[in-house]
Amino acid sequence: QSALTQPASVSGSLGQSITISCTGTSSDVGSYKYISWYQHHPGKAPRLMIYEVSDRPSGVSDRFSGSKSGNTASLTISGLQAEDEADYYCNSFTSSGTLVFGGGTKLTVL
Amino acid sequence: QVQLVQSGSELKKPGASVRVSCEASGYTLSRHSINWVRQVPGQGLEWMGWIDTNTGTPTYARDFTGRFVFSLGTSVNTAYLQINSLKVDDTAVYYCARDLAIGRLDTWGQGTLVTVSS
Repeated sequence: QSALTQPASVSGSLGQSITISCTGTSSDVGSYKYISWYQHHPGKAPRLMIYEVSDRPSGVSDRFSGSKSGNTASLTISGLQAEDEADYYCNSFTSSGTLVFGGGTKLTVL
Repeated sequence: QVQLVQSGSELKKPGASVRVSCEASGYTLSRHSINWVRQVPGQGLEWMGWIDTNTGTPTYARDFTGRFVFSLGTSVNTAYLQINSLKVDDTAVYYCARDLAIGRLDTWGQGTLVTVSS
């Protein structure tokens, strides 16, 4: 199972919005609602930000939102804050009954 | 408070084995599967597989078959990852994570650094 495709890096200014894409295939992203997003600060444990395409766990800011169109899922962060600077990973269920992560996107807040 | 606490860093020689533990607290391990995730230094997260904590049945990602073994403790709320015939390329941080539903990894261990070096 190949990793899902994410941009290596994105950047945005404080207060702006950014979107991170996550492209898979009809065998994963395109066929299932089981898409999740994780925030990972180096040296810490990853944190679940979005599950089932667009649902937010309790405690996650509503500045984080998720969507999906075809084989591409997206994570949007609005009102960028300094603490949003981190690596972000998408994850999808696959037709093999496994999970697969994206390659990760480094978000820089300017 | 739901927590997963992993064992400490390990330094091993090539060819040796290592076992990483993941102890659950605040909930019963058997209620949700445990997933294992690897991060090689400087690289992204890789899903290694999961273990059904009810039946003990493991499922491995394609790249983690053979030398990697997921198991459960017999009397404690603990899951284990064992890596046999260690290679230098196995040097990484290994995470366990609770799966509330399909791919909903809501609680993560703090990570265990395994260093393989001669």
